[in-house]
Amino acid sequence: QSVLTQPPSVSAAPGQKVTISCSGSSSNIENNYVSWYQQLPGTAPKLLIYENNKRPSGIPDRFSGSKSGTSATLVITGLQTGDEADYYCGTWDSSLSALFGGGTKLTVL
Amino acid sequence: EVLLLESGGGLVQPGGSLRLSCAASGFTFTGYSMIWVRQAPGKGLEWVSYITSSSSTIYYADSVKGRFTISRDNAKNSLSLQMNSLRAEDTAVYYCARAAVLEIFDYWGQGTLVTVSS
Repeated sequence: QSVLTQPPSVSAAPGQKVTISCSGSSSNIENNYVSWYQQLPGTAPKLLIYENNKRPSGIPDRFSGSKSGTSATLVITGLQTGDEADYYCGTWDSSLSALFGGGTKLTVL
Repeated sequence: EVLLLESGGGLVQPGGSLRLSCAASGFTFTGYSMIWVRQAPGKGLEWVSYITSSSSTIYYADSVKGRFTISRDNAKNSLSLQMNSLRAEDTAVYYCARAAVLEIFDYWGQGTLVTVSS
């Protein structure tokens, strides 16, 4: 069981908005930046959001992130079928380890 | 273009050893920390180990501490993971990734599969 808690799955129709949460604690999320990773089926993870809310070059602004206290949120708007993937939050922990959430499977209905 | 290419995976018996390598290109290898992350079949991501650019600081997940050793050869732009005393629960795809800063893993390799089974 992951230290960072994510919902196992979320779903929404094309064009709609979906929110994925990531819950941690004062030893990780509250005092460190959060990143989000997208893993398309059969591929390696890809950095989607870093430092809570910044997008790497090439990531569309349909993807946004935020953090408040011990939780972080990834929002995807204007859903496309190509967004179907597993999404992971990640951060650093005071125990000197990197952490990932358990992952959330996004289904675009 | 940043490229990370893992190799060395395969089938190994419980208690055995395996050495993974990650060849880096397209960036100044000496300027970045690196990590290993694994993903068991059908499971989520699990961070394994972290090494700074000069190898001065190294961290391990508790699940591999004392069994795995991370290292790098900056002259060869190469990252390695020596895995000893392998267990069935070490079966996973192992990814190397570049750590832009401590918690930002901005480029990932395609992964190499390690299967621990008799």
